[in-house]
Amino acid sequence: DTAVSQTPKYLVTQMGNDKSIKCEQNLGHDTMYWYKQDSKKFLKIMFSYNNKELIINETVPNRFSPKSPDKAHLNLHINSLELGDSAVYFCASSQNGGANEQFFGPGTRLTVL
Amino acid sequence: GDSVTQMEGPVTLSEEAFLTINCTYTATGYPSLFWYVQYPGEGLQLLLKATKADDKGSNKGFEATYRKETTSFHLEKGSVQVSDSAVYFCALGPGAGKSTFGDGTTLTVKP
Repeated sequence: DTAVSQTPKYLVTQMGNDKSIKCEQNLGHDTMYWYKQDSKKFLKIMFSYNNKELIINETVPNRFSPKSPDKAHLNLHINSLELGDSAVYFCASSQNGGANEQFFGPGTRLTVL
Repeated sequence: GDSVTQMEGPVTLSEEAFLTINCTYTATGYPSLFWYVQYPGEGLQLLLKATKADDKGSNKGFEATYRKETTSFHLEKGSVQVSDSAVYFCALGPGAGKSTFGDGTTLTVKP
């Protein structure tokens, strides 16, 4: 069984569209994250949820809205997609916040045309 | 705030060469330190970790020692293989509930 799964793996869309990425973890962790990785492999945290509560919201445009329906799921919705949103988005989870290792999903490669 | 500084890449080595990737950090308190590896087309995965000063983390022939006096956590491997080609990230946690990652170092090992 995959520990952290994301769907879709690839997402190609036009500027201005709205899209969602879904993430699920079956590890029983209490904390989930969204990261953005650019073409130079820099990894930037976007959001973090602990027990369904938002605890980290980095400087991210309001077009990005995370939603955590339960502890095992953290979805990312993006409105009015822009060219600069093209990147690989990773979901991750951990137990007890950042003190323990994070388990990453396989990533969603978003391409905005 | 917390920060992690990694050796800039890319790094290119021949098979069986010795590898060192430098990592230094700035943090309040006593964070845990991690090395993650990202193989092409995949997500990051934990390579090794250390939770307190002087701890040595090791896995798959890689080692790193938590040095509080020099605030460092350098990654080493005695003999790299082509299969070690990947991006390596140094990270620390916790810090306000999140981990702080370095910029990543791309390693290419040539046969």
